[in-house]
Amino acid sequence: NAGVMQNPRHLVRRRGQEARLRCSPMKGHSHVYWYRQLPEEGLKFMVYLQKENIIDESGMPKERFSAEFPKEGPSILRIQQVVRGDSAAYFCASSLPTENTEAFFGQGTRLTVV
Amino acid sequence: AQKVTQAQTEISVVEKEDVTLDCVYETRDTTYYLFWYKQPPSGELVFLIRRNSFDEQNEISGRYSWNFQKSTSSFNFTITASQVVDSAVYFCALSFYFGSGTKLNVKP
Repeated sequence: NAGVMQNPRHLVRRRGQEARLRCSPMKGHSHVYWYRQLPEEGLKFMVYLQKENIIDESGMPKERFSAEFPKEGPSILRIQQVVRGDSAAYFCASSLPTENTEAFFGQGTRLTVV
Repeated sequence: AQKVTQAQTEISVVEKEDVTLDCVYETRDTTYYLFWYKQPPSGELVFLIRRNSFDEQNEISGRYSWNFQKSTSSFNFTITASQVVDSAVYFCALSFYFGSGTKLNVKP
């Protein structure tokens, strides 16, 4: 399966721990987007990255959240000192380098903070 | 600022009814792209259509059709003769900014 791969699919963290969510884009895709979806809510844009660059992070909370997309390896969404309100599904999407092509989504990581 | 509004939070119809999902967008860009995605109960997101701002032709794909009207900044999605399998949350997007989604329930 050459689709967008997210892991882990499910992640449980205690309050105060760190959560690391990984996203491997589709082959040939150099644009990555992260979204958060709370239960029964829509997709909230968080950050748009290209290799080694953050293009738009207007949706990222100012504290505790960070994202990277290194030259080699997957994109990482990192949440430090998690709180219960961080419990959500986090989706990653990738697209071709051409602007405004459709994004292909991974199956999401469901983060539960206990 | 880019913004997408899907005013219909949830719609329920009976199978075989037609249903239209509304999408209104705001942008200052002259070139932009609009998308519709479907999220069935299983949770994955499926791309349905892309439309660029220069192409105002309506599009039909089977039971799905899309009406893009630049004058009203709308990109509405109609499902004809709805089926139970159409039950899902449908998202409209402007570039990578998504609306809040419309949950469609199709009852047998």
